Amino acid sequence: GDSVTQMEGPVTLSEEAFLTINCTYTATGYPSLFWYVQYPGEGLQLLLKATKADDKGSNKGFEATYRKETTSFHLEKGSVQVSDSAVYFCALSSGNTGKLIFGQGTTLQVKP
Amino acid sequence: EPEVTQTPSHQVTQMGQEVILRCVPISNHLYFYWYRQILGQKVEFLVSFYNNEISEKSEIFDDQFSVERPDGSNFTLKIRSTKLEDSAMYFCASSEAGLAGNEQFFGPGTRLTVL
Repeated sequence: GDSVTQMEGPVTLSEEAFLTINCTYTATGYPSLFWYVQYPGEGLQLLLKATKADDKGSNKGFEATYRKETTSFHLEKGSVQVSDSAVYFCALSSGNTGKLIFGQGTTLQVKP
Repeated sequence: EPEVTQTPSHQVTQMGQEVILRCVPISNHLYFYWYRQILGQKVEFLVSFYNNEISEKSEIFDDQFSVERPDGSNFTLKIRSTKLEDSAMYFCASSEAGLAGNEQFFGPGTRLTVL
């Protein structure tokens, strides 16, 4: 079945460092891809999405490009801030019910 | 800004007891979902619900689980006879449509602890 694999965490960076969180997927058909973020004590929030190959999703300085040839959707940010500390989830959705299939989540800790 | 709410935030129960987790989705949304996250593991899909019936369910969603939209605002998940392995964070989500590209809005979760 469909699945998502994320890089293991936690990831610890200094403020203003470059961030990459790797995400690869396995799916039949043409899924939509998402990054969700979970701040401490809160629910999951959509960070960005891409619905077809070569689309780039972006939000709050984060970017991810839907790469069909490598089945990847890596999350990047050029300069992280302490406030970016959270758990990041890569997810895919396919079919006609919209259900999400998540990766295991990657914890990001940014130190001042 | 509209948001999905869930109650209670934390539920502690004895094994074998019934629990009902409650969610209020965003008012104009038509698709509703339950997910769960066992500590340290992935967020897993349980069930999707549309037009007063289940549209899809996972293997996890067996006969001990049920969902209901008892009125125009609430969406509930019932676990009939809880097991230790049901201890998890349960998230409710809603979306305007059930298409693959649509954003789902998540509630803050209910932490269920089964003793």
